[in-house]
Amino acid sequence: EVQLVESGGVVVQPGGSLRLSCAASGFTFDDYAMHWVRQAPGKGLEWVSLISWDGGSTYYADSVKGRFTISRDNSKNSLYLQMNSLRAEDTALYYCAKVASPADIRDYFDYWGQGTLVTVSS
Amino acid sequence: SYVLTQPPSVSVAPGKTARITCGGNNIGSKSVHWYQQKPGQAPVLVIYYDSDRPSGIPERFSGSNSGNTATLTISRVEAGDEADYYCQVWDSSSDPVVFGGGTKLTVL
Repeated sequence: EVQLVESGGVVVQPGGSLRLSCAASGFTFDDYAMHWVRQAPGKGLEWVSLISWDGGSTYYADSVKGRFTISRDNSKNSLYLQMNSLRAEDTALYYCAKVASPADIRDYFDYWGQGTLVTVSS
Repeated sequence: SYVLTQPPSVSVAPGKTARITCGGNNIGSKSVHWYQQKPGQAPVLVIYYDSDRPSGIPERFSGSNSGNTATLTISRVEAGDEADYYCQVWDSSSDPVVFGGGTKLTVL
């Protein structure tokens, strides 16, 4: 059974930093691209970042470019999101999501975690 | 960047058909995916590649895509279908993964 479990969400002050983690199981992690998607309270889904199966390619939404860094450790079946210079507008539930097809970064999301809540507030 | 436009809300009586649209420039040339999200839950894929259904999704859910509009159709709507629905595409622009703003389906 595929499982994605996010962690690391806390309350942080504006300008602060945070690292989110996503522990994956139930599939061959290093075959699949992974994404982070966020959802502000009461709002819609917003794509954040993508990393290829081998970590060689990364993409970011314009809203987080230069502040967030996505990475993965395939030996630990884990995905990460380093978040720096946090702003109030980064407050959201952060989901990690798996793409459906191996080695295809453009594919749809077939599994999502339950999310971890990041609150940026003084 | 590419924009997907969904109606904020759609209401339908039980047993009737709900149609949720997703508009985008020449969206018919892209593959559209649809997700259902119930309150307090993670999104769940209900349609992929315009019209394919994942296993476990009822046949009542179907999709189409042509021109500038993709449509998610839910036939014989049930109370349990009440949720937010999001369309999504891949676009080779600054933000490659694009979601529509979401549509809240209300079952009357």
